[in-house]
Amino acid sequence: QVLLQESGPGLVKPSETLSLTCTVSGASISSDYWSWIRQPAGKGLEWIGRIYSSGSTNYNSSLKSRVIMSVDTSKNQFSLKLTSVTAADTAVYYCARENQLLYRNFDYWGQGTLVTVSS
Amino acid sequence: DIQMTQSPSSLSASVGDRVTITCRASQSIGSYLNWYQQKPGKAPKVLIYAASSLQSGVPSRFSGSGSGTDFTLTINSLQPEDFATYYCQQSYSTPRTFGQGTKLEIK
Repeated sequence: QVLLQESGPGLVKPSETLSLTCTVSGASISSDYWSWIRQPAGKGLEWIGRIYSSGSTNYNSSLKSRVIMSVDTSKNQFSLKLTSVTAADTAVYYCARENQLLYRNFDYWGQGTLVTVSS
Repeated sequence: DIQMTQSPSSLSASVGDRVTITCRASQSIGSYLNWYQQKPGKAPKVLIYAASSLQSGVPSRFSGSGSGTDFTLTINSLQPEDFATYYCQQSYSTPRTFGQGTKLEIK
């Protein structure tokens, strides 16, 4: 059974850096791509970016200047940093696996973690 | 970026009804189209991948069709647990993009 669990602060001050980690169990992070997706309250889903175990990344151009993703294969974890946050970055943040064998669908998701940007 | 447009944005239906949700891509994406169901407070769950392939464990009343730019999700004989928000998503290219969602409500 593949499980993903997001962790990190639920409250971040404006202009500071949001940092989240996704811990994967039941699957090796050394295969497939691993994504971050966010959802503001009452709104739709926005893909932030993805990382492969090699460290190769793709980011959404709308956030690219502020996003840094990293992977730690020894811990089966990957991480997200979003710099210079504003209230517009308040959202539920999900990590998800992108299954490369099945038309790259997001087949496993974390439960999501709410991050609020406020002073 | 590929824009995904769903219609309708909301839909009211009754248990036992058949409903169809459409999704249009701003350019051809072949069959790289996935459908998700999301219930309040929960992560999305994949229903259909590759436009028409049913994810393991998903009831057969869900089906998908289409290719290129136009796609549909059909739910036959709606059940109470089907009332949720549905999203399409293209996996043809990055950035991955989602439709704006269709909220399916009980009539």
